[in-house]
Amino acid sequence: RKEVEQDPGPFNVPEGATVAFNCTYSNSASQSFFWYRQDCRKEPKLLMSVYSSGNEDGRFTAQLNRASQYISLLIRDSKLSDSATYLCVVNAGFQKLVFGTGTRLLVSP
Amino acid sequence: DTGVSQDPRHKITKRGQNVTFRCDPISEHNRLYWYRQTLGQGPEFLTYFQNEAQLEKSRLLSDRFSAERPKGSFSTLEIQRTEQGDSAMYLCASSLGQGLGQPQHFGDGTRLSIL
Repeated sequence: RKEVEQDPGPFNVPEGATVAFNCTYSNSASQSFFWYRQDCRKEPKLLMSVYSSGNEDGRFTAQLNRASQYISLLIRDSKLSDSATYLCVVNAGFQKLVFGTGTRLLVSP
Repeated sequence: DTGVSQDPRHKITKRGQNVTFRCDPISEHNRLYWYRQTLGQGPEFLTYFQNEAQLEKSRLLSDRFSAERPKGSFSTLEIQRTEQGDSAMYLCASSLGQGLGQPQHFGDGTRLSIL
């Protein structure tokens, strides 16, 4: 079983739609969680950290469920520019990040 | 530009050659990481430095790979006797602080192609 699992997609949604991605992780000792965004042939860029209480940044909302070991990302009012791969990332200690394979989002006009 | 910078952006070489990549982290960041990413996969951790000390190495880092950060600033990653399976994007990241919650900031990467 992979340490971090994501549905690879692609998720095809129209502009303005709400879309949600889920991610599960296997290491219950994981201590910090992130969503990164990666555009084609570019480096990953931090989208947001994920906190137990849930957090929101504009149209983006992240949730963490430690009991079930899953993380979610909700994108409201999708824009064309949101088209990218969204990487679920877990820091399980010793400073290394463990990445999921990413979920690809395609927003169409 | 005050972000993480990597050099070169692209490297094409023949199998069996040695290659060296350089990473300059964000100046105040004391932690530096190397990752490798192949098509359709997320980045995979290779190694990590805190200042000049290499504190962890992945099992992915075979004997042909060596990384250094001699003065706790820039880092180099060398691959000796390259193989076709080494073709990938090599990403460097840096972060600041002592806690686990510090996010890592990535450079543009070096794309390695082995002929």
